Amino acid sequence: AQSVAQPEDQVNVAEGNPLTVKCTYSVSGNPYLFWYVQYPNRGLQFLLKYITGDNLVKGSYGFEAEFNKSQTSFHLKKPSALVSDSALYFCAVLTNAGKSTFGDGTTLTVKP
Amino acid sequence: NAGVTQTPKFRILKIGQSMTLQCTQDMNHNYMYWYRQDPGMGLKLIYYSVGAGITDKGEVPNGYNVSRSTTEDFPLRLELAAPSQTSVYFCASSYTPNSPLHFGNGTRLTVT
Repeated sequence: AQSVAQPEDQVNVAEGNPLTVKCTYSVSGNPYLFWYVQYPNRGLQFLLKYITGDNLVKGSYGFEAEFNKSQTSFHLKKPSALVSDSALYFCAVLTNAGKSTFGDGTTLTVKP
Repeated sequence: NAGVTQTPKFRILKIGQSMTLQCTQDMNHNYMYWYRQDPGMGLKLIYYSVGAGITDKGEVPNGYNVSRSTTEDFPLRLELAAPSQTSVYFCASSYTPNSPLHFGNGTRLTVT
């Protein structure tokens, strides 16, 4: 069965510092991986995806993610965090028929 | 361009009541999905549809039903509400099975 794990429930960083939100996956075959962000009382919004190609994927709002096949990881990164980046972040892996399996989410808090 | 629209935003049901959560999208997406989100957990797939007239069960379909008579609409029906169905429900759509999901803003349902 395909699965996604986000090992940290909470990540705290200071504004201006780099941030990393971790994600590991387990799939058979080549993975299709996504990151989404959820602000309070809103639906999830797409940030970026990895299908194939370059291991460093750039997405919305200055976020990027690094795909590492040997470590089965797809960590979300940003060089300089903003207070407005504070939100709930979900990693997801695409399974058959377009169904996505989501991690349990990581709450990112950026403090001024 | 409204995207994915869900109604109602909030609803309180008594045990045993029934209701329909509405979802409509104006992006001409064939693929549509219903997820539920429980606190501290990721999204769980309830039902999905790959086109008008075609629906299939997801990970947690018990207690729910769906229909897809048009490309735009994908309502979710709860027949006999139970406290275990207290959750936030999200409808999503995508252009292809590998495309990012577009989410509505959710329906917060409480069953007491």
